[in-house]
Amino acid sequence: DVKVTQSSRYLVKRTGEKVFLECVQDMDHENMFWYRQDPGLGLRLIYFSYDVKMKEKGDIPEGYSVSREKKERFSLILESASTNQTSMYLCATDSRASGSPLHFGNGTRLTVT
Amino acid sequence: SQQGEEDPQALSIQEGENATMNCSYKTSINNLQWYRQNSGRGLVHLILIRSNEREKHSGRLRVTLDTSKKSSSLLITASRAADTASYFCATSGTYKYIFGTGTRLKVLA
Repeated sequence: DVKVTQSSRYLVKRTGEKVFLECVQDMDHENMFWYRQDPGLGLRLIYFSYDVKMKEKGDIPEGYSVSREKKERFSLILESASTNQTSMYLCATDSRASGSPLHFGNGTRLTVT
Repeated sequence: SQQGEEDPQALSIQEGENATMNCSYKTSINNLQWYRQNSGRGLVHLILIRSNEREKHSGRLRVTLDTSKKSSSLLITASRAADTASYFCATSGTYKYIFGTGTRLKVLA
C-alpha cells in the first residue's frame, strides 16, 4: 500500500511565522498535491508537482509556495502565516497511470493565532 | 475554479438502509472517483468510474455515471454504523482533480 506521511497532525503557529508542512511518500509516484479543506468549501488545490523541481499553481496559491527537491518529498511553505490560513492541509499523490487514484496523508490541522 | 456539488449535504439513515449520494459536475471528464473521509482524517479512495462506463460495482458500493447530465451517484447498500463518514466525488482532468463539497453520512445503529 502507498504510504503518504505528513509530518504533523496538529500545528499551532503565530501570525507572521514561516511555516513548513512536509509530506513524504514511499511509492515513487510522480505527482504530488497540496490541498486545503475548509467547511462548506470542500478541497481546494493549492499547488501540485508532476516531477522533481516542477510545480504548478492550483486554484488558491496566494500566500503559499512549494518545494520538491526529491521525488518523495513535497513541502508546502507559508511564507508569513495569517489567520485565514487556519485550515486542514492534505497532501496527496498519484502515479501518471490513467485512472490512478489519489492517495492522501492524514492531514495537518494548522491553527494560526 | 469549477467544483462538483454533492447532494444532499447531509444524510442520516438507520443501519441496514441504503444510502444514495449524488454528484454533479461542470466540465468534461476522463473519470470520476468517489472518496471517503472519516472525521479528521485523510481521504480514502473508494471507486473509480471512467467516462465511457455507465455503472460500476464494488462490494456494497454501486456507482453510476451519466455524462450527458454531468452527474454521478453513489449507492451504499445495507449500511453499517462504520459507514458514517463524509463522501466526496472528484472529477479528473489533466493532472488536476476537482472535488465536490461532500455529503456527510450518519448511520444510526
